[in-house]
Amino acid sequence: DIVMTQSPLSLPVTPGEPASISCRSSQSLLHSNGSSYLDWYLQKPGQSPQLLIYLGSNRASGVPDRFTGSGSGTDFTLKISRVEAEDVGVFYCMQALQTSITFGQGTRLEIK
Amino acid sequence: QLQLHESGPGLVKPSETLSLSCTISGGSISTTTYSWDWIRQPPGKGLEWIGTLYYNGSTDHNRSLKSRVTISIGTSKTQFSLNLGSVTAADTAVYYCVRRVRRGGCLDPWGQGTRVTVSS
Repeated sequence: DIVMTQSPLSLPVTPGEPASISCRSSQSLLHSNGSSYLDWYLQKPGQSPQLLIYLGSNRASGVPDRFTGSGSGTDFTLKISRVEAEDVGVFYCMQALQTSITFGQGTRLEIK
Repeated sequence: QLQLHESGPGLVKPSETLSLSCTISGGSISTTTYSWDWIRQPPGKGLEWIGTLYYNGSTDHNRSLKSRVTISIGTSKTQFSLNLGSVTAADTAVYYCVRRVRRGGCLDPWGQGTRVTVSS
């Protein structure tokens, strides 16, 4: 299975400031069709995870444009341009290249 | 808008079988565009993929769960189920059913989750 590693695991951020989360995979997530099979999810407190970014850089429907996904191969980044209070929760990256999908450990974003 | 809803007992005894259902509103399993997955989350921990169900009834599952997992289409094409046998305390978790895009693999939407505790 592909191992996904996120950093940092804890991310205290002042509202209005930017934030960045890194995700690395143990093997390339580049599909033969040219897309990177890497998604980002946010699990807000007490809720189910929700899709933020799919195929590395595509925002899901309704996701604010302050969230940006980038990267390729084995290195990916989720950036939040200006953190808001509603962004509190745990962010997960997930590889979907293999049928046996795997997740990163999660990055907990908290407001300072 | 498609919605998923998990249901099943919240308490299962060790060595017994955990059985959950997922009801699909606003869609069905028939489409080839999607597959239907089970994901679980132990208390305070991360997300673990359990398995996936395809429109034709075929399945794939996490090898770490060995042969304990059975995923199947329910009595209608708007329901699918998860059976996990020989459970132990390590199977205590919130269980989610999710729709998965077959091309690209993203998971959306998720059910609200159902908490299952394995205890005597």
